[in-house]
Amino acid sequence: DVKVTQSSRYLVKRTGEKVFLECVQDMDHENMFWYRQDPGLGLRLIYFSYDVKMKEKGDIPEGYSVSREKKERFSLILESASTNQTSMYLCASSSPYWDSKIEAFFGQGTRLTVV
Amino acid sequence: KQEVTQIPAALSVPEGENLVLNCSFTDSAIYNLQWFRQDPGKGLTSLLLIQSSQREQTSGRLNASLDKSSGRSTLYIAASQPGDSATYLCAVKGGTSGSRLTFGEGTQLTVNP
Repeated sequence: DVKVTQSSRYLVKRTGEKVFLECVQDMDHENMFWYRQDPGLGLRLIYFSYDVKMKEKGDIPEGYSVSREKKERFSLILESASTNQTSMYLCASSSPYWDSKIEAFFGQGTRLTVV
Repeated sequence: KQEVTQIPAALSVPEGENLVLNCSFTDSAIYNLQWFRQDPGKGLTSLLLIQSSQREQTSGRLNASLDKSSGRSTLYIAASQPGDSATYLCAVKGGTSGSRLTFGEGTQLTVNP
């Protein structure tokens, strides 16, 4: 019954490394999202994609990029990891904005620590 | 820009109590509103979705209502249990935010045995 899968539950990376977080959904959703979640700050949108090869910046895109080459896969890339990117990263997928009947689903989260 | 607020930020109740969690949003032109549950260190689990044309949805002991015109939703939990302890988040889709999901900061619920 898995719907959204993130490639790792826990990651530890060094400052300056290039980091890839992968997300795969099996519901044929058009929209996919990357959020980060920090205590006291809630969920903040980094990037989202509304179609293959289409992307839009969220509220905090600095230091991140994304890739969506296939409909089911959405990757978040930290070009040069920094300690302030230590966080819980959550991937989600949903139907287009005009489809109000379909739920959004989240992956299990990736706890990234940058040392 | 859509803003979502959840009150209270934290709630502690004895087992068996009925309780209400509140969610308000600033732009009423939404397509739907969704309630999620999050356990510590985990992802979000969808509980209920209410379309903009609906007034309420029920699932087991959970009932969510939506008053779009006033920008409010409530999540009612009947006969609370310790297993209900988690953070509850509401999210809205639509309005000026288009396809984005805009989240509140959540209500952290503790149900004491």
